Amino acid sequence: DAKTTQPNSMESNEEEPVHLPCNHSTISGTDYIHWYRQLPSQGPEYVIHGLTSNVNNRMASLAIAEDRKSSTLILHRATLRDAAVYYCILGPQGGSEKLVFGKGMKLTVNP
Amino acid sequence: NAGVTQTPKFQVLKTGQSMTLQCAQDMNHEYMSWYRQDPGMGLRLIHYSVGAGITDQGEVPNGYNVSRSTTEDFPLRLLSAAPSQTSVYFCASSYSHTYNSPLHFGNGTRLTVT
Repeated sequence: DAKTTQPNSMESNEEEPVHLPCNHSTISGTDYIHWYRQLPSQGPEYVIHGLTSNVNNRMASLAIAEDRKSSTLILHRATLRDAAVYYCILGPQGGSEKLVFGKGMKLTVNP
Repeated sequence: NAGVTQTPKFQVLKTGQSMTLQCAQDMNHEYMSWYRQDPGMGLRLIHYSVGAGITDQGEVPNGYNVSRSTTEDFPLRLLSAAPSQTSVYFCASSYSHTYNSPLHFGNGTRLTVT
């Protein structure tokens, strides 16, 4: 299974943009890139996903490298509520059971 | 819209006791699943279901049973609890198993087995 590599942790400042990196050098042509986050004492929450093109939604933007070997989740203006563990996950078209949640990356947002 | 509801929020069991963790969703989702999360680790898939009457094993199914008699409910049964099953359990659902429908998670059940 294709794996992802994320930093263990990152820090950011409130109201500033945050770029969360993810490497996935063994990604296959049919793998989607998914991002979830988990706030303290809560279940994971869907953030965004994409295949090749950059994606935007109300929560974040996903920038995917042209060779698809890396991607970046962009929080345009970090708030204290964005402090969470962020998971970058690869998954094929279909098969929700194939999404593997690793340890993720802890984001700390400083006031 | 309640989403995914898990009960109870906390539970303490003694070794050998049995119990059922409840999971219900009100979104008419086809796919439901159970995960466990241990300290400092990611989520590991226990069992999943792609529709009523259909269940399958995930990565760590031993010691757990599931059934899916209705679309809404997906209970997880521990037949004889062991200390190794101390964990936080999350239920998740999604609209479709075959498309990249986002997973919706409950807020978890924290289980301690003594």
